[in-house]
Amino acid sequence: NAGVTQTPKFRVLKTGQSMTLLCAQDMNHEYMYWYRQDPGMGLRLIHYSVGEGTTAKGEVPDGYNVSRLKKQNFLLGLESAAPSQTSVYFCASRNDSPLHFGNGTRLTVT
Amino acid sequence: DQQVKQNSPSLSVQEGRISILNCDYTNSMFDYFLWYKKYPAEGPTFLISISSIKDKNEDGRFTVFLNKSAKHLSLHIVPSQPGDSAVYFCAAIVNFNKFYFGSGTKLNVKP
Repeated sequence: NAGVTQTPKFRVLKTGQSMTLLCAQDMNHEYMYWYRQDPGMGLRLIHYSVGEGTTAKGEVPDGYNVSRLKKQNFLLGLESAAPSQTSVYFCASRNDSPLHFGNGTRLTVT
Repeated sequence: DQQVKQNSPSLSVQEGRISILNCDYTNSMFDYFLWYKKYPAEGPTFLISISSIKDKNEDGRFTVFLNKSAKHLSLHIVPSQPGDSAVYFCAAIVNFNKFYFGSGTKLNVKP
């Protein structure tokens, strides 16, 4: 039982490049979330999904897009990366339980 | 503006003593409150929660207290152990769906 798996674990991008972060969960959870963690800011919600085919904006959605084509996967896209998007990104999922988190993706944008 | 605040970035406690981590919130509509623990290079893991209709919940060495009138939440760890050294995040849920997190408190338990 892998839980929540995030790929890649690390990535370095140049400003303007694009990339997609993948989150996969094997717990049949309906809800999935993307957070970013920055020093002194805690975890801030980027986007979330309440079920397959749905997405919604969180606190800091600008510069990101998401898709939930399959229930088990939640993709976070950066179309044109900026240095302000340097952060650690966490995916999480749940049904009625508290959030289950992946181990994070550390992204650096130079 | 952050709806959940942890004003102490760090806390250092001697092994065997009590650790008290504090959290304040602004939104009176929060339904549930939780504490998460995070080790380096790992994702946060759930520790303990409390419903907005209760004022205390206990699980082993961990107790969470809720003071709704003060909009204040605290986590007590007794006795503290070196393995408790981690970053602790306070979180609150609104509409049973959206989670808001504080900025975290780094706890160091000294042997």
